Amino acid sequence: EAQVTQNPRYLITVTGKKLTVTCSQNMNHEYMSWYRQDPGLGLRQIYYSMNVEVTDKGDVPEGYKVSRKEKRNFPLILESPSPNQTSLYFCASGPGGAGETQYFGPGTRLLVL
Amino acid sequence: QKEVEQNSGPLSVPEGAIASLNCTYSDRGSQSFFWYRQYSGKSPELIMFIYSNGDKEDGRFTAQLNKASQYVSLLIRDSQPSDSATYLCAVRGWDLTGGGNKLTFGTGTQLKVEL
Repeated sequence: EAQVTQNPRYLITVTGKKLTVTCSQNMNHEYMSWYRQDPGLGLRQIYYSMNVEVTDKGDVPEGYKVSRKEKRNFPLILESPSPNQTSLYFCASGPGGAGETQYFGPGTRLLVL
Repeated sequence: QKEVEQNSGPLSVPEGAIASLNCTYSDRGSQSFFWYRQYSGKSPELIMFIYSNGDKEDGRFTAQLNKASQYVSLLIRDSQPSDSATYLCAVRGWDLTGGGNKLTFGTGTQLKVEL
């Protein structure tokens, strides 16, 4: 089954404790992206990757890191999480460029205390 | 600042009626337009996309694009309770700072289909 998977789905952590949210796709897509979704603010792009070893900042990159060492994986790293990073996070992938159709993972709900 | 704007709703329609969801965008150079549906607590899923002016139909869904007015809409015919969700409009444009295309999402319109 073609899909984008994220882990964990739910996470409660404390301020400053490093965490990683994994994202994997099995559709051989070149493009991958991370979004956060907050009430009233919609989906905002954090980072995106056009291909292996190619990543770039989205609209709200502060406090986040990413890497793209393999085509299928695009982990999101929070080195020192803060409460304002409490949000619903979505990973997405797509066969084309940044402006083309994107397929979303199930989401990761993060609470930073 | 490129923007995609949608009325947050909720938009309430009776079962069987036509639901009309609207979206305006600020970047006149925008090239592609997408509608996603998002159920509460779930991820967005693509309903349809449109590139050219006019109408595009897919089952009960029709997307309408008017580039001159910078307006895109989604019509849902014979609305069902299962259509109750938030509908996200997304617009592809050229991101000068990023050096490439970018997808910008609106904040979504909540649709409620009532029995």
